[in-house]
Amino acid sequence: GQNIDQPTEMTATEGAIVQINCTYQTSGFNGLFWYQQHAGEAPTFLSYNVLDGLEEKGRFSSFLSRSKGYSYLLLKELQMKDSASYLCADQAGTALIFGKGTTLSVSS
Amino acid sequence: GAVVSQHPSWVICKSGTSVKIECRSLDFQATTMFWYRQFPKQSLMLMATSNEGSKATYEQGVEKDKFLINHASLTLSTLTVTSAHPEDSSFYICSARDGTGVSHGYTFGSGTRLTVV
Repeated sequence: GQNIDQPTEMTATEGAIVQINCTYQTSGFNGLFWYQQHAGEAPTFLSYNVLDGLEEKGRFSSFLSRSKGYSYLLLKELQMKDSASYLCADQAGTALIFGKGTTLSVSS
Repeated sequence: GAVVSQHPSWVICKSGTSVKIECRSLDFQATTMFWYRQFPKQSLMLMATSNEGSKATYEQGVEKDKFLINHASLTLSTLTVTSAHPEDSSFYICSARDGTGVSHGYTFGSGTRLTVV
């Protein structure tokens, strides 16, 4: 089964760096996804990790450790528009199973 | 890129009536589509996996007779909420496997906000 855990809320200021952690316990791991979702909108794909290590993509980076069942999303040079929910999702089987999401509030 | 069109974007219906939500893959064939439900301030919960030409697979706790899923073609899946009640008010969103590399295979519709009064 799946058990994906991430913090419920985080706050940060503009220009700062924030790390959102995600732990998972799944059977049949096929990859770890991060999505951004603004209220009332569809989630937007941010990153995908299937091998251990860091994947960097502009201001956003994602890390995976399969042995530890751990991932994090790193957001640099925070902007107000980064205020959103960040969803960690595990691809177990064919469907994506989402964690509860972390609501990030960025203040000036 | 792969696009999934979801319709309607919002709907208000009376308690006891049925509502149909459509998801179409516009430029690819989707043999598998997924339906999620999201309550306010909560995450996306997988309701069912829809396979073209066969019965949907429902997640535990989801009533298959209440949430009817039809995936009759490779480009269209529908979710019908039958005899809707206020507790069914939620954000419903579909996703399809698109086979591309951009989003590693998952494309989401824009979602449907259902309000049952």
